[in-house]
Amino acid sequence: DSGVTQTPKHLITATGQRVTLRCSPRSGDLSVYWYQQSLDQGLQFLIQYYNGEERAKGNILERFSAQQFPDLHSELNLSSLELGDSALYFCASSPTTGWGSGANVLTFGAGSRLTVL
Amino acid sequence: DAKTTQPNSMESNEEEPVHLPCNHSTISGTDYIHWYRQLPSQGPEYVIHGLTSNVNNRMASLAIAEDRKSSTLILHRATLRDAAVYYCILRKVGGSEKLVFGKGTKLTVNP
Repeated sequence: DSGVTQTPKHLITATGQRVTLRCSPRSGDLSVYWYQQSLDQGLQFLIQYYNGEERAKGNILERFSAQQFPDLHSELNLSSLELGDSALYFCASSPTTGWGSGANVLTFGAGSRLTVL
Repeated sequence: DAKTTQPNSMESNEEEPVHLPCNHSTISGTDYIHWYRQLPSQGPEYVIHGLTSNVNNRMASLAIAEDRKSSTLILHRATLRDAAVYYCILRKVGGSEKLVFGKGTKLTVNP
């Protein structure tokens, strides 16, 4: 158990639907990161939040949004789902204490597997 | 972040040492070298990181070339559980805190 909790572990839904993935970071970690892993794209960075504020953005689609709440848990919302959104979605957290120390270590959760039919 | 180059795949036998290479010829003086691995059906897992000197921890050793243009992750005695994709990633001081993953090296461990 890495200490990063992701729910649900598996999710099957239909095209056009909307889902929410939830992440609880390790105790004390202020930063949360979301990644998408599909077979043909590898691990792609989506977005980072630090203490409730957006810190960095990757190739996140406009149909996707995220937020980090005051208790530091984060949610990734995926809407108007398409077949191509089927993937593993990983959340990671880190005890970020400042911008870009270079030595910051990320701890990943076990992932949420989304299947869009 | 500067680019890294790793072999697509490597094979090893159980209980033998494994040396996983990574080239990073455009590394800058403020780039840390990080290694993560991803076991099948799991999230990536931190292995080790270093800046200039060789590093050891309970999982592995990291050997960094004197010119820092390459590094090697050393697993001293491979086990079947070490079969994973290993990623070598550079992190710049003052840069983004996100990790940018390449394709990594898929390590197969034979019994």
